[in-house]
Amino acid sequence: LAKTTQPISMDSYEGQEVNITCSHNNIATNDYITWYQQFPSQGPRFIIQGYKTKVTNEVASLFIPADRKSSTLSLPRVSLSDTAVYYCLVGEGTGGFKTIFGAGTRLFVKA
Amino acid sequence: DAGITQSPRHKVTETGTPVTLRCHQTENHRYMYWYRQDPGHGLRLIHYSYGVKDTDKGEVSDGYSVSRSKTEDFLLTLESATSSQTSVYFCAISPTSGAYNEQFFGPGTRLTVL
Repeated sequence: LAKTTQPISMDSYEGQEVNITCSHNNIATNDYITWYQQFPSQGPRFIIQGYKTKVTNEVASLFIPADRKSSTLSLPRVSLSDTAVYYCLVGEGTGGFKTIFGAGTRLFVKA
Repeated sequence: DAGITQSPRHKVTETGTPVTLRCHQTENHRYMYWYRQDPGHGLRLIHYSYGVKDTDKGEVSDGYSVSRSKTEDFLLTLESATSSQTSVYFCAISPTSGAYNEQFFGPGTRLTVL
C-alpha cells in the first residue's frame, strides 16, 4: 500500500487559493488518489478523486503529474467554513477497504 | 446525506466489559467499514465487510470482532474493553469496489473506557 505524506497544517486567509500537496512515491499502477475533508465532530466527506492529469468539480481541483508520485488539491477562494482536516488517500480502485487515511493536513482559514 | 446511523453516539464503560457498536445503513451498499480515530493518527481501519457474513481485518483489528448478518447492519464488538480502545469510531459504507469507491461516513461514536 502506498504511504502518503502531507503537511501537518496550513494557514490561509479568506478569498485565497489554497494548494495542499500530497506525496505518494510508491503509488501503484492500479491506485487512485482520493481526497476527503473532515470537520470537527463529523465523519470525513469525499471531495475529489483522480487517476492522472487534472480533475475538477464544483468544490476543488486535483492536479496529478505524469509520474503520479504526488498530487495537489486546490481549493479556490477559501472561506472560513473551509477550515477542516484534509486527507489524501491512495488505494486500489478495486477496493475501498485497501485505502489508508494518514494524519491529514489541518487547514485553518483566517478572516 | 447517505443514510448511515451509528448507535450509541456516546458511551462510557469500564475496563473489561463487552461493548457493541452498531452501524445501520439504508442505502443497500455492499461494503461497510469500521474505523477508529485518535489524535495524531487520522482514521485507521479496524475491520471491513464486502457482503453479508463476509468480513476481513484491517490494520488495527486486535481486540475487535465484527459481524454482518444482514446488508444493513454492521456490528463492532469489543469483547473486553481496554482504556486503549477509548476513541471515536466511525462507520463507513461504499456502493462498489470499482474505480469510483467513495466512502460515506456515519456521525461517529465516542467511546470512553475507564
